[in-house]
Amino acid sequence: AQRVTQPEKLLSVFKGAPVELKCNYSYSGSPELFWYVQYSRQRLQLLLRHISRESIKGFTADLNKGETSFHLKKPFAQEEDSAMYYCALSGRGGSEKLVFGKGMKLTVNP
Amino acid sequence: KAGVTQTPRYLIKTRGQQVTLSCSPISGHRSVSWYQQTPGQGLQFLFEYFSETQRNKGNFPGRFSGRQFSNSRSEMNVSTLELGDSALYLCASSLQVGRGTNEKLFFGSGTQLSVL
Repeated sequence: AQRVTQPEKLLSVFKGAPVELKCNYSYSGSPELFWYVQYSRQRLQLLLRHISRESIKGFTADLNKGETSFHLKKPFAQEEDSAMYYCALSGRGGSEKLVFGKGMKLTVNP
Repeated sequence: KAGVTQTPRYLIKTRGQQVTLSCSPISGHRSVSWYQQTPGQGLQFLFEYFSETQRNKGNFPGRFSGRQFSNSRSEMNVSTLELGDSALYLCASSLQVGRGTNEKLFFGSGTQLSVL
């Protein structure tokens, strides 16, 4: 069964501080991992996906298959990063459903 | 391009009633997924449709059903509403080209359902 765990519900940091949003997963096959973000009063949107190995808005995430983790990191947080962040997983097949973690609220204080 | 459109934006119903929610995907998108979002459980997958066929279903009771029309628009129906069905229902569409359906989902603003 697919399962995504975001162990922390809340994270509050000051502007300029590093942030790490943790995500652990459980999946028997080869997963595809994503981070979605929801800013205040905006729609849920894709932030990044592991398969693209991209950095978006300064955020990066590395898939660690040994630790079954996909932590989201940013070296210097900005106030505009304050949002809800959701880690999500699907299998590599085209018909696999996307399963989300329960989300984590990041607050970046001035 | 217009985004994913969900109607209505808000709904208030009473226990026992039924409700139908509508979702219009981005033009050209053929895959539509539905999610239930609550503060306690987060985002939970309801079902996914592609070319009018249900391809995946989450762990929800049979009171939750859906369908997709030939123009890719989708509806979901909840019968015999319970208080616990109060939630934000999100629809997402994607452009499926072979594998990688979930590479990028585009979400709507959701329908906020309150069951009294």
